[in-house]
Amino acid sequence: DTGVSQDPRHKITKRGQNVTFRCDPISEHNRLYWYRQTLGQGPEFLTYFQNEAQLEKSRLLSDRFSAERPKGSFSTLEIQRTEQGDSAMYLCASSLGGAYNEQFFGPGTRLTVL
Amino acid sequence: DAKTTQPTSMDCAEGRAANLPCNHSTISGNEYVYWYRQIHSQGPQYIIHGLKNNETNEMASLIITEDRKSSTLILPHATLRDTAVYYCIGEYSGGSNYKLTFGKGTLLTVNP
Repeated sequence: DTGVSQDPRHKITKRGQNVTFRCDPISEHNRLYWYRQTLGQGPEFLTYFQNEAQLEKSRLLSDRFSAERPKGSFSTLEIQRTEQGDSAMYLCASSLGGAYNEQFFGPGTRLTVL
Repeated sequence: DAKTTQPTSMDCAEGRAANLPCNHSTISGNEYVYWYRQIHSQGPQYIIHGLKNNETNEMASLIITEDRKSSTLILPHATLRDTAVYYCIGEYSGGSNYKLTFGKGTLLTVNP
C-alpha cells in the first residue's frame, strides 16, 4: 500500500455512459498525476496537477475527459460518452515535487466499456 | 525525454542476482535515469534513480556507464515476488517537469 487510493477499483459501463473515478493522494503531496495503461503497454501520461492547478493535459485527453482537483486534495477524472477504446487501467500517482520525481502510484481503476 | 531500449523479457533463478539492462544513448546531461517496476495488477512502484554515479538502496543497485548511454539495474538476490515488468525511464527532473514516460519495459520472471 503506497498511501494513494483509488475508487472504484473496477468499473464496467456501457458505451455512451459517463463515468467518474476518484483518487486520494498522499496527504502532503502537492503533485498529482493521471495515467492510462492499456494491455501490454506501459502507463501513458494524461494530466498533471500542482495543488489545484491543472498544469498540463496530454493530447490523449480528448474533450470527453475532464479532471479536477478541488482544494488541491483529492482528484476526479470524468469520462463522458464512453467509447470501447476508453477501456483501460486508469492510474493515479502523487509526489512531493522537488528535484526528484519519485511518484507513488495507486492501485488503479480498471474500466471496461461494453 | 530520452528514448530507452530494454529487452522484452528476462528470466532469473530465485536467489541469484538479476541484472536488467537499459540503453539510453540519447540521454542528455540533465536527465535522470529512473527505474520503476509493476507487479501484475498493481500500480508501478519506484525502485531507484541516478544521474551519473552508481546508486544503491534497500531494493536495488543502479550502475550507470561513464558515458551515461546505458545502465543496469541489479536485484542482488531475486525472489519470486520480484517477478514484474521493470521500466527504465530517462527523464529530466526539476523545474516544471513532472511526467514519466514509460516504455514497454522488461518482464522479469524469477523462477524457483
